[in-house]
Amino acid sequence: GESVGLHLPTLSVQEGDNSIINCAYSNSASDYFIWYKQESGKGPQFIIDIRSNMDKRQGQRVTVLLNKTVKHLSLQIAATQPGDSAVYFCAETYTGGFKTIFGAGTRLFVKA
Amino acid sequence: GAVVSQHPSWVICKSGTSVKIECRSLDFQATTMFWYRQFPKQSLMLMATSNEGSKATYEQGVEKDKFLINHASLTLSTLTVTSAHPEDSSFYICSAREALGGYTFGSGTRLTVV
Repeated sequence: GESVGLHLPTLSVQEGDNSIINCAYSNSASDYFIWYKQESGKGPQFIIDIRSNMDKRQGQRVTVLLNKTVKHLSLQIAATQPGDSAVYFCAETYTGGFKTIFGAGTRLFVKA
Repeated sequence: GAVVSQHPSWVICKSGTSVKIECRSLDFQATTMFWYRQFPKQSLMLMATSNEGSKATYEQGVEKDKFLINHASLTLSTLTVTSAHPEDSSFYICSAREALGGYTFGSGTRLTVV
């Protein structure tokens, strides 16, 4: 079936370095993608989104890249901070169905 | 920004009893809300899509008689776990879709069935 998955289950980076979290999706019809951050015991927190008519979008310290050719998106976090430590999920939304399907998640560890 | 309030944040119940979880959109109307379940160290799994004024749409493998969903108003959806058993213990999270297409999540409910 359709799925959204992640290449790396865990990622450990040094404070101040840049982090890159990757995600693959399988439905070429998906047109809206979202990155969420989830801290332990809390609900997902929206980070940044991108629509399929774009290939890059920047936020504050975060950038999302979308490559529709290979069905891949990534989240780049600049100057990673200890507060960035969390699990990050990519999510895929189907137009019309409005459902948000989550990938497996990547745990980011930031070493001080 | 949009806020979704989920209540309770945690609940412990005895096996065989029912538990109701509420999801409210505080400053916007949500015609569509979603219920997710998350086991430890796993991703969020969509359980059902809740539409105001109509029956919920359940994902494959989710028992609709076990997980009752009611979306009686544009700001409130409830999930009732009926005849709860220990295997129903999980983290339940709701989200609401805003008119412009964004999604906001509640803070989740930790259910423990003993």
